[in-house]
Amino acid sequence: DIQMTQSPSSLSASVGDRVTITCRASQSVSSYLNWYQHKPGKAPKLLIYAASSLQSGVPPRFSGSGSGTDFTLTISSLQPEDFATYYCQQSYTTSWTFGQGTKVEIK
Amino acid sequence: EVQLVESGGGLVQPGGSLRLSCAASGFTFSSYDMHWVRQATGKGLEWVSAIGTTGDTYYPGSVKGRFTISRENAKNSLYLQLNSLRAGDTAVYYCARAAVAGTIYYYYYMDVWGKGTTVTVSS
Repeated sequence: DIQMTQSPSSLSASVGDRVTITCRASQSVSSYLNWYQHKPGKAPKLLIYAASSLQSGVPPRFSGSGSGTDFTLTISSLQPEDFATYYCQQSYTTSWTFGQGTKVEIK
Repeated sequence: EVQLVESGGGLVQPGGSLRLSCAASGFTFSSYDMHWVRQATGKGLEWVSAIGTTGDTYYPGSVKGRFTISRENAKNSLYLQLNSLRAGDTAVYYCARAAVAGTIYYYYYMDVWGKGTTVTVSS
């Protein structure tokens, strides 16, 4: 199976900060990479699909980039509602895998 | 409104079985691949299984041979049969719809999720 590794595992940031989360695949996944936001007790929410396409209804402060093995999720100006855990996920193979998650906490 | 609602979770003893259900509404269920994803307490999301529109199924090694995904399009329902349960299977189980984008290359992603149902494996 393809292993997905996120960094950092957690970070502390302030409202208005620019936040960058990195996801690395153990082999190329081309652009078959998605990003999700998950808050406790809630359903996960799709943010970015196909590495850089913004899901409908998601604020444009969220953006994704990368291809092959290295990907980035960027939040341009962190808002109070953005404090959550973020996951990357590959759909390159029929055995999908998630990264371990990055928890974004209030500084 | 597009919606997925899971049910069937509960407390089961190690070695026991459970059947989870997911009721879909607001979209043409038969036209979508469907997935199950779980999250153990304090852990990350883990993909558990998938079923295609033609009934093809996929599993990770951790559950293959113990879990069975199925669907009943006439009832707009997705199922997950959990057998030989272990303490490590304790988690919130989510069902999710898989959408696809693209024309030459087809990019799959989970765009609609349920709120989950909790499975606890304990004696």
